[in-house]
Amino acid sequence: GQNIDQPTEMTATEGAIVQINCTYQTSGFNGLFWYQQHAGEAPTFLSYNVLDGLEEKGRFSSFLSRSKGYSYLLLKELQMKDSASYLCAVRDSNYQLIWGAGTKLIIKP
Amino acid sequence: ETGVTQTPRHLVMGMTNKKSLKCEQHLGHNAMYWYKQSAKKPLELMFVYSLEERVENNSVPSRFSPECPNSSHLFLHLHTLQPEDSALYLCASSQDPAGESYEQYFGPGTRLTVT
Repeated sequence: GQNIDQPTEMTATEGAIVQINCTYQTSGFNGLFWYQQHAGEAPTFLSYNVLDGLEEKGRFSSFLSRSKGYSYLLLKELQMKDSASYLCAVRDSNYQLIWGAGTKLIIKP
Repeated sequence: ETGVTQTPRHLVMGMTNKKSLKCEQHLGHNAMYWYKQSAKKPLELMFVYSLEERVENNSVPSRFSPECPNSSHLFLHLHTLQPEDSALYLCASSQDPAGESYEQYFGPGTRLTVT
């Protein structure tokens, strides 16, 4: 079966750094996506990785290791507005997205 | 209006009712999706339309019936639903699903409660 695992909930302090991990087992791989979803709102696209390595975009970075079936999202200089759920999704051999259940990130002052 | 819009935002219906959810995208995309989002569960893909043809339905119960009259509009017709169908229903759109770095743009969702 296909499976995406990520922690259910994480807590971090404003101004700090947090790493959200995602491991996957899918039938084929055609890229990995990270989305942010604030409570009661639509998911919004954050990043896309298809090759191994780190992609940096401002305060957010995403890393991929295809051989390990592993990715992480790194958030730096945390702000209160970063409190949200972070969804990991893998595009499989049929080009459909397989989603994780999301990691709820709580930022404390 | 820009992006992906959905109506209604909230819907309460009885198990014998018939209702429809509407989605409209203003992004010029050629693929549209219906997802179901339940608390603490992954997004469940229900239907995919590419160039107005359905390409995926993921064994969704027949009480959910999609309709895609053109590339900008998507409907989800609901009838004789069950309480376990209560969830957030999200619509999304994208360019060609097999394209490089395509991302899906989501609407705000319809919060459905079946009583």
